[in-house]
Amino acid sequence: SQKIEQNSEALNIQEGKTATLTCNYTNYSPAYLQWYRQDPGRGPVFLLLIRENEKEKRKERLKVTFDTTLKQSLFHITASQPADSATYLCALPYYGGSQGNLIFGKGTKLSVKP
Amino acid sequence: EAQVTQNPRYLITVTGKKLTVTCSQNMNHEYMSWYRQDPGLGLRQIYYSMNVEVTDKGDVPEGYKVSRKEKRNFPLILESPSPNQTSLYFCASGAGRASTFGPGTRLTVT
Repeated sequence: SQKIEQNSEALNIQEGKTATLTCNYTNYSPAYLQWYRQDPGRGPVFLLLIRENEKEKRKERLKVTFDTTLKQSLFHITASQPADSATYLCALPYYGGSQGNLIFGKGTKLSVKP
Repeated sequence: EAQVTQNPRYLITVTGKKLTVTCSQNMNHEYMSWYRQDPGLGLRQIYYSMNVEVTDKGDVPEGYKVSRKEKRNFPLILESPSPNQTSLYFCASGAGRASTFGPGTRLTVT
């Protein structure tokens, strides 16, 4: 069955540094991959989508890469700020599933210290 | 404002007492879904709906029912809640390839 893993449960970094989060998946080849941000007690908020034919995508201080050979996505936040502290989730569509039918990783909790 | 609303936001109930959590979206999305989120287990999909009168099971459907009689509403029904359904529930609505999540409903079953 499909499996999605976010390697670190928690990541602590200093303000101004680049945070790098990892998402690995097995057993299929998704057409796209998504990243969400979730604050405590709140619903996830969509950040970025990257398609299988895209190597890299950027949005302001965020950058996502997608390596379909390694079956891995990296999520980078450059010049990190304490306000970036949150849990970040990656999500993939179920194999053969309809649009929006997603499987989520368990998330990486990012803490950015001033 | 485009949004997904859920009610109630918090609910404490007793085992066996039927309850409904409502979900509504104002974005005219065809796709809607329900998730539960538990510590250490992450977000798991309960049910989803691709359109009115079209619903299907997700990963953890046991003990839940849904209906989709109108495009904007997708209620989650627990006919006989049990303590293992204590969780944080999210409704989501999707268009294209991004999902908009509701604010969550924290349910406690004693």
